[in-house]
Amino acid sequence: ETGVTQSPTHLIKTRGQQVTLRCSSQSGHNTVSWYQQALGQGPQFIFQYYREEENGRGNFPPRFSGLQFPNYSSELNVNALELDDSALYLCASSAKNGGELFFGEGSRLTVL
Amino acid sequence: AQSVTQLDSQVPVFEEAPVELRCNYSSSVSVYLFWYVQYPNQGLQLLLKYLSGSTLVESINGFEAEFNKSQTSFHLRKPSVHISDTAEYFCAVSYQGSYNTDKLIFGTGTRLQVFP
Repeated sequence: ETGVTQSPTHLIKTRGQQVTLRCSSQSGHNTVSWYQQALGQGPQFIFQYYREEENGRGNFPPRFSGLQFPNYSSELNVNALELDDSALYLCASSAKNGGELFFGEGSRLTVL
Repeated sequence: AQSVTQLDSQVPVFEEAPVELRCNYSSSVSVYLFWYVQYPNQGLQLLLKYLSGSTLVESINGFEAEFNKSQTSFHLRKPSVHISDTAEYFCAVSYQGSYNTDKLIFGTGTRLQVFP
């Protein structure tokens, strides 16, 4: 059974640029959630995708957007990067109605 | 707004000593409760969870947590810690009855540092 995989593991961008982070969900899972974990903080919910539709969103601006593909993999896109976007971005998959999230190891984004 | 409070940002302890990591949540509605562990440069791993039933839940590596509804707490305990338990521990809650029960609200974490 393949777990949740994320890419890239690390990346550096400059202010104003755009970034795309990718996530492959665990086998059998059709729901993907994205979380932002700033340094020294707990993860914060960005949004969730279920069957290619956004299914709940946290308190993040519209420049944070996402996609889910028919194979249930997902992308997180962030436009117009700001310094405060520097964080570990965690993807988690779950089987809908199951509730338990399985996390990937994250993509660490540094914005200079 | 719902929130999770982890009262201690850091807990230093010697090996083989007992430890308690405290967690309180704010809500009067039914909840699901979780503890996750994060080792350096890694993602989150589920340590244990309370969904319903017995208020005392245990993990396979000796941790346990007790759901206390009246105190709105879900403290994590281990009677004897090991060096390998050094990690960041996050308490999280999701709310029954909400449309999105997968959504977790996390505390700010407690850094457990075990010394030899």
